[in-house]
Amino acid sequence: GENVEQHPSTLSVQEGDSAVIKCTYSDSASNYFPWYKQELGKGPQLIIDIRSNVGEKKDQRIAVTLNKTAKHFSLHITETQPEDSAVYFCASYSSASKIIFGSGTRLSIRP
Amino acid sequence: DGGITQSPKYLFRKEGQNVTLSCEQNLNHDAMYWYRQDPGQGLRLIYYSQIVNDFQKGDIAEGYSVSREKKESFPLTVTSAQKNPTAFYLCASGAGDSYEQYFGPGTRLTVT
Repeated sequence: GENVEQHPSTLSVQEGDSAVIKCTYSDSASNYFPWYKQELGKGPQLIIDIRSNVGEKKDQRIAVTLNKTAKHFSLHITETQPEDSAVYFCASYSSASKIIFGSGTRLSIRP
Repeated sequence: DGGITQSPKYLFRKEGQNVTLSCEQNLNHDAMYWYRQDPGQGLRLIYYSQIVNDFQKGDIAEGYSVSREKKESFPLTVTSAQKNPTAFYLCASGAGDSYEQYFGPGTRLTVT
């Protein structure tokens, strides 16, 4: 079946450094790729998204890139801060019935 | 104060009992979703509804049931047929013409 692979499962970076999380999807019909941030005990919060007709999107310290040929998309966080510590999920949408989430990346920011 | 509310935050039940989780939204969204999250895993879709009085099964619907009698409400019943019901349950909603989904705070269900 369709799936989304997310790597790494855990990531620890020094405060101020950059963090990169990568996802690979299998459904060639996918056309929308959101990233969610989930803090402990809370629901996921949409932080950035990209559609298949765009290669890159930025929002302050966060950026997402999409390589549709390779079926890869990545989340980039620059100048990391302690409040960036959370679990991050990518997802791939091809229709309302095909919403597939990656397994998550636990990001820790070291002071 | 707009958003999605789920209640209760924590729920404990004995094995063999049905339990209903509440999800309410005042965002005027047409679509609503239920996901299950297990430790160290991503979210898996249980049921979704794109319009009142209509809903479809997701990837793991067995042992669950839903209703959508009102636009703002989408309750999930975890039945005794669900073999492994202990999990974190998340409700989400979205505008019908958009893929964006907004999540509630979740309900942690523990069945012993």
